[in-house]
Amino acid sequence: GAGVSQTPSNKVTEKGKYVELRCDPISGHTALYWYRQSLGQGPEFLIYFQGTGAADDSGLPNDRFFAVRPEGSVSTLKIQRTERGDSAVYLCASSVQNNEQFFGPGTRLTVL
Amino acid sequence: EDQVTQSPEALRLQEGESSSLNCSYTVSGLRGLFWYRQDPGKGPEFLFTLYSAGEEKEKERLKATLTKKESFLHITAPKPEDSATYLCACHSGGSNYKLTFGKGTLLTVNP
Repeated sequence: GAGVSQTPSNKVTEKGKYVELRCDPISGHTALYWYRQSLGQGPEFLIYFQGTGAADDSGLPNDRFFAVRPEGSVSTLKIQRTERGDSAVYLCASSVQNNEQFFGPGTRLTVL
Repeated sequence: EDQVTQSPEALRLQEGESSSLNCSYTVSGLRGLFWYRQDPGKGPEFLFTLYSAGEEKEKERLKATLTKKESFLHITAPKPEDSATYLCACHSGGSNYKLTFGKGTLLTVNP
């Protein structure tokens, strides 16, 4: 079956611009997660959705970052006024309840 | 603060040379320890979940074990296609959803 998909696969933007990253979870998975992975590091937790609501957004680094999941399926991670330090691979994962998390291929964000 | 530490950072093996990767953790009230495999340019691929000390799980040439302080990923007679970064993660912050990852072990298996 189809796994987690993320678009775009690569995004290059300029400092100060706004970006949106999209995640399509595995059908039927109620839980959705966003992580950020820098080179040579493991993924770092950003936010967790159970259904439509953000149950835990404690990993978002600051108020430039925001994520939504309006219908309990697709999620969008939004970053305002991008900075060079935001450059990383943004990973999305989904799971049935809080079981094993299945990851998408990621979006590589580069801020020039 | 919950921490996950993996060693070694990198490991080179000859095909058929068995070895083990280590994951030590300091997490209050472990609710699950996970192993993932990550190939370059791809997202982590789920391998195993372990919940309690003494538990073991196997898949092909891989076996994961868990004690109260650490987990091992044993690789028996590896093949070049086993080359990847292996990530260990734990549920953290007292939650059953937030994963804290280690930095990973980059495994290279030479033919």
